[in-house]
Amino acid sequence: GENVEQHPSTLSVQEGDSAVIKCTYSDSASNYFPWYKQELGKRPQLIIDIRSNVGEKKDQRIAVTLNKTAKHFSLHITETQPEDSAVYFCAASQLAGGFKTIFGAGTRLFVKA
Amino acid sequence: DGGITQSPKYLFRKEGQNVTLSCEQNLNHDAMYWYRQDPGQGLRLIYYSQIVNDFQKGDIAEGYSVSREKKESFPLTVTSAQKNPTAFYLCASSTSSGGMDQPQHFGDGTRLSIL
Repeated sequence: GENVEQHPSTLSVQEGDSAVIKCTYSDSASNYFPWYKQELGKRPQLIIDIRSNVGEKKDQRIAVTLNKTAKHFSLHITETQPEDSAVYFCAASQLAGGFKTIFGAGTRLFVKA
Repeated sequence: DGGITQSPKYLFRKEGQNVTLSCEQNLNHDAMYWYRQDPGQGLRLIYYSQIVNDFQKGDIAEGYSVSREKKESFPLTVTSAQKNPTAFYLCASSTSSGGMDQPQHFGDGTRLSIL
């Protein structure tokens, strides 16, 4: 069935360093790839998304890259800050699939001050 | 202020009891979803609905039921058949615009525990 694999499950970086989280998806029809950030006990919130007609998108310290051939997409956070500490989820969806979105298992990011 | 409202924030269930979690949205979104999140884990889809009076089972629908009588509302009932209901439940909604997927908007969640 449809699947999204996310790595690593836990990531610890020093403040100011970069963090990279990687996801692969199985359904080649997927065309929308959002990333969500969830702080402890709170709701997941969208931080960036990318569509299949674009290879890279950047928003200040956050960037996402997409390789459709490899069915692989990644989240890059530069100049990490303690407030970046949270769980990050990648997801893949396609409208023709009836609004259904498949989420990765999440990456817990710790940014050490 | 548009958004998704889940209630209650905390809920306790007794043995053999059914409980209903509320989810209301005023975003005029067509699709609504229920997810279960266990500690340290990802989001698992319970049910989703693309349109009023229609809903589909997700990956872990057993022991749960839903209804979608109004566009704004998508309540989830955790039945006594769900033997391990303790979890954080998240409701979400989304729409399509210009024929493209849009991100899901989440509520603040309901934390359900067994007494």
